[in-house]
Amino acid sequence: DIQMTQSPSSLSASVGDRVTITCRASQDISNYLAWFQQKPGKAPKSLIYAASTLQSGVPSKFSGGGSGTYFTLTISSLQPEDFATYYCQQYNSDPRTFGQGTKLEIK
Amino acid sequence: EVQLVESGGGLVQPGGSLKLSCAASGFTFSDSPMHWVRQASGKGLEWVGRIRTRANNYATIYAASVKGRFTISRDDSKNTAYLQLNNLKTEDTAIYYCSAPIAVTGISGIYWGQGKLVTVSS
Repeated sequence: DIQMTQSPSSLSASVGDRVTITCRASQDISNYLAWFQQKPGKAPKSLIYAASTLQSGVPSKFSGGGSGTYFTLTISSLQPEDFATYYCQQYNSDPRTFGQGTKLEIK
Repeated sequence: EVQLVESGGGLVQPGGSLKLSCAASGFTFSDSPMHWVRQASGKGLEWVGRIRTRANNYATIYAASVKGRFTISRDDSKNTAYLQLNNLKTEDTAIYYCSAPIAVTGISGIYWGQGKLVTVSS
């Protein structure tokens, strides 16, 4: 199985900051990577697929990059509604696997 | 608007069974594989399994933790996917989500249902 490792596991930032979360795959997954946002008590919300393609309706403050084994999610100009937990997931092969999550908290 | 609506969760005793449904609308259901993902309280997301389309023989695959106990099926005439949970264990207690990857211009992306809580307890 492909292991997905996110870093950091938690992150404190201020409103207006720009932050980057990384996700590493244990083997080459090309660009078959998605990013999700989850708020407490809510279902995950899709942000990005194919490593860098924004899902319809997602604001351009979210951007994704990378390929192969190294990927990033960058959020610019943080707003209160952006503080949540973020997950990456590879869909290059089954079983699909998620990163352990990155909790973004307000400083 | 793409919508996925789960139903069928609840409380079940260890060793028992439960069936979850995921009703889809807003896209051509028969063209999309369907996935199930779960999340135990305070934990991360865990992929449970998926079913492919008719063109791919409705092929299924499961996570090792549920293989042999859970079964994913679909009824394209009803735009609904199912997750049959058998021989449930306390560690299967989680919120279960269905998910659909859609590759249609204008709505492409990965969509999620609202989730259904399954509690396995005596």
